[in-house]
This record gives sequence, C-alpha cells and structure tokens, in this order.
Amino acid sequence: ETGVTQTPRHLVMGMTNKKSLKCEQHLGHNAMYWYKQSAKKPLELMFVYNFKEQTENNSVPSRFSPECPNSSHLFLHLHTLQPEDSALYLCASSQESTLEAFFGQGTRLTVV
Amino acid sequence: GIQVEQSPPDLILQEGANSTLRCNFSDSVNNLQWFHQNPWGQLINLFYIPSGTKQNGRLSATTVATERYSLLYISSSQTTDSGVYFCAVEEGFGNEKLTFGTGTRLTIIP
Repeated sequence: ETGVTQTPRHLVMGMTNKKSLKCEQHLGHNAMYWYKQSAKKPLELMFVYNFKEQTENNSVPSRFSPECPNSSHLFLHLHTLQPEDSALYLCASSQESTLEAFFGQGTRLTVV
Repeated sequence: GIQVEQSPPDLILQEGANSTLRCNFSDSVNNLQWFHQNPWGQLINLFYIPSGTKQNGRLSATTVATERYSLLYISSSQTTDSGVYFCAVEEGFGNEKLTFGTGTRLTIIP
C-alpha cells in the first residue's frame, strides 16, 4: 500500500456534474494538502489542513470545496466546474513539524 | 512571496551521461525538497535537503542555503530518469506551504 492514495486516477465530468476526489494517507501525518497542476504552470497550493482544521485557502473558487473528516482522509468536492479547471489534482501529506511532503498519484480531471 | 527558479528548463541527454539541475530561490528557506514527476504524474520524493549534501545511489543533492541555491546531480543517466524534476521550498518557518519551481524536463535518449 502506498503512503498516499488518491482516487479516482482519472475523471471526466460535465460542467453541471458534482463529483468528489478522495485522498487517504497511511503515514501518520497530521497535515494534508491539495495542489493543482495545470499545463505549463507550477504547482499551485489550494488548501492546507492541519489536525483537520483548514489553515490555508489560497483564493480558490467556491466551486471547489474541501473536507477533512480526520487526519488520514481528505476530500475535494467539485461542482459546476469550468473547462479551465481541467488539470492534475495532487494530494500530499506531511508531518507539520518538518513539512517534508509526500504526494499521491494524482487525479487527472477533465471538464467537458 | 518567494521566487523559485530552476534551470535549465529542458535537458536532453544520451543514456549514461551525467547532469546537474539547479534551483535558485530568492529568500531564506526553512525546507527544500527535490521531486521527480514520472510520466503518470506522480511526484516522487528524491531528497529533503534544507542544507548540506545527501546521496542516494546515482543521485545526490547539495543545498547552500546561505547562497540560496540547490543542485541535483544525476550520474550515469537511465531512460527511467526521464521526467520533470521540481524543487520546492518552504519560505521562513511555520509557513506551512511549499512553493514549487517551474521544473526541469529531462529526456534521456537510449
């Protein structure tokens, strides 16, 4: 079992759909993150959760809604997305004290 | 915010060659990591190296924090080394987020 697992690996959704991305970490970390990677752009931090509390929201549109029910699970709920939201969404976890981040395999999202 | 620049942006090498990738950052950092993004998109941890030198097999890394740069060395390149290499830094202390560079795309030709 890998340290950080994301599902699904690929997702195609229409602009009126609602879907959720899931991330699970088995490393005993207390911080989890969502990043977005678009073509030709650096990775962009979206959200940070420490001990289940959201500590960073990097000006992300409200059509992206994170949820962290416990320190091992992180969700990203998606609704009424736009085609420009198509990207690779990466989840990561770290121990807050070191910030050494470990990433999942990513979910490649296409909005049609 | 902190600026992170990587060079070169693209590098094409023959199998067996050695390479040096550079990461410059504009301010003092608390942490620095090197990642390899494989063709399937996953970011693989290579080094956690806020300062000093580390080696892992054919790869090694050096961070000179006082001069605000880090280097990643790849020796005897293999085709499986192809992909994009990113450095990421945590600005200051307790910043809780990594800022990524734009990456170096490495292509190893058989």
